[in-house]
Amino acid sequence: QQPVQSPQAVILREGEDAVINCSSSKALYSVHWYRQKHGEAPVFLMILLKGGEQKGHEKISASFNEKKQQSSLYLTASQLSYSGTYFCGTEKANSGYALNFGKGTSLLVTP
Amino acid sequence: EAQVTQNPRYLITVTGKKLTVTCSQNMNHEYMSWYRQDPGLGLRQIYYSMNVEVTDKGDVPEGYKVSRKEKRNFPLILESPSPNQTSLYFCASRGQDYNSPLHFGNGTRLTVT
Repeated sequence: QQPVQSPQAVILREGEDAVINCSSSKALYSVHWYRQKHGEAPVFLMILLKGGEQKGHEKISASFNEKKQQSSLYLTASQLSYSGTYFCGTEKANSGYALNFGKGTSLLVTP
Repeated sequence: EAQVTQNPRYLITVTGKKLTVTCSQNMNHEYMSWYRQDPGLGLRQIYYSMNVEVTDKGDVPEGYKVSRKEKRNFPLILESPSPNQTSLYFCASRGQDYNSPLHFGNGTRLTVT
């Protein structure tokens, strides 16, 4: 039931862009994105709902393709603080608000 | 401050010795959940609860029990811990709104020897 994330890991130089993908074999109602720093709890980034608009804040945005059950997270002009592991969490309709998470994408931004 | 509180943060125990990890939230959330995190496997859901007295299995429920007698508390019980339950555990809660994010506790790092 885990969604599939790609790539598994990516290394960027400061200022470069990255895209992280998340796909599910199940029909989704929403997709969540979280970032986790080493040894800390995951922190919420954004939610994309079925039928909703593409979301974003600052230089991080995301999209949700309902027909393909895919979501992508876009990191633009990356900063050192963007380093961490990114997780997508998927929610099926009528799942009682339960979220299933992918295995994560490790992002390292270097100076 | 709105938060999810887990205790303890670190726990080392021996095989077979029953233990409980507590989780409490102060946001009046209906939904609560437990995840375990292992290297390369991401966050896997153990159990979740949509409301008081309502719990359901996640993807990896074997070896765990939960109870939801009050809205704010959702303890995770390991009746007979085994070394393969060594992991980082997170409790989380969210409101009953599809726009509501998951709020995570700070995690409990459990080692079973």
